Amino acid sequence: NAGVTQTPKFQVLKTGQSMTLQCAQDMNHEYMSWYRQDPGMGLRLIHYSVGAGITDQGEVPNGYNVSRSTTEDFPLRLLSAAPSQTSVYFCASRPQGRRYEQYFGPGTRLTVT
Amino acid sequence: AQKVTQAQTEISVVEKEDVTLDCVYETRDTTYYLFWYKQPPSGELVFLIRRNSFDEQNEISGRYSWNFQKSTSSFNFTITASQVVDSAVYFCALREGGATNKLIFGTGTLLAVQP
Repeated sequence: NAGVTQTPKFQVLKTGQSMTLQCAQDMNHEYMSWYRQDPGMGLRLIHYSVGAGITDQGEVPNGYNVSRSTTEDFPLRLLSAAPSQTSVYFCASRPQGRRYEQYFGPGTRLTVT
Repeated sequence: AQKVTQAQTEISVVEKEDVTLDCVYETRDTTYYLFWYKQPPSGELVFLIRRNSFDEQNEISGRYSWNFQKSTSSFNFTITASQVVDSAVYFCALREGGATNKLIFGTGTLLAVQP
């Protein structure tokens, strides 16, 4: 198993540009999430999904869109990038069932200038 | 509302010292799950331990041990005989029960182990 994969690893955008961060997992996990990590703030939940076709907002959803058309993929779209979205983005997945931990991808470091 | 507090922003120790990382949480749920993750300088997040609210047994795994106390809403992490490879940011996290995927993280503790 490759686990949770994310692409790209690094990205630089100009303000106003849009892009999609890709996330895929090959463990057949129902639950997937996107987090952003900022200095001194830990990780904050952006959006999550409990299964294909089902998504919901986390703590900091503004400026981001998600969709879940397959179990494997959970892309995160930045509609119009802003400098405040400069961050490290982590995708995570876990099996259904309350006791399971989340498996994290390697992260994408995004800089918006 | 749920919240996780890691009051120690940075800790510096010398190799072979013992060190305890504190974690205090808030939740109104009776069923919840607590986690510790390690983030080494390479940046990935490594799962260390999960504990559910019904299991207050302490756990030891090699040099790592965890102390869960519901009475004080704490889930502290101790590294015995620290090593340079333990240098990392450590995050405590909380997930409430129910059909949710919301994992609330503390702000992390940066542990620097000096040789």
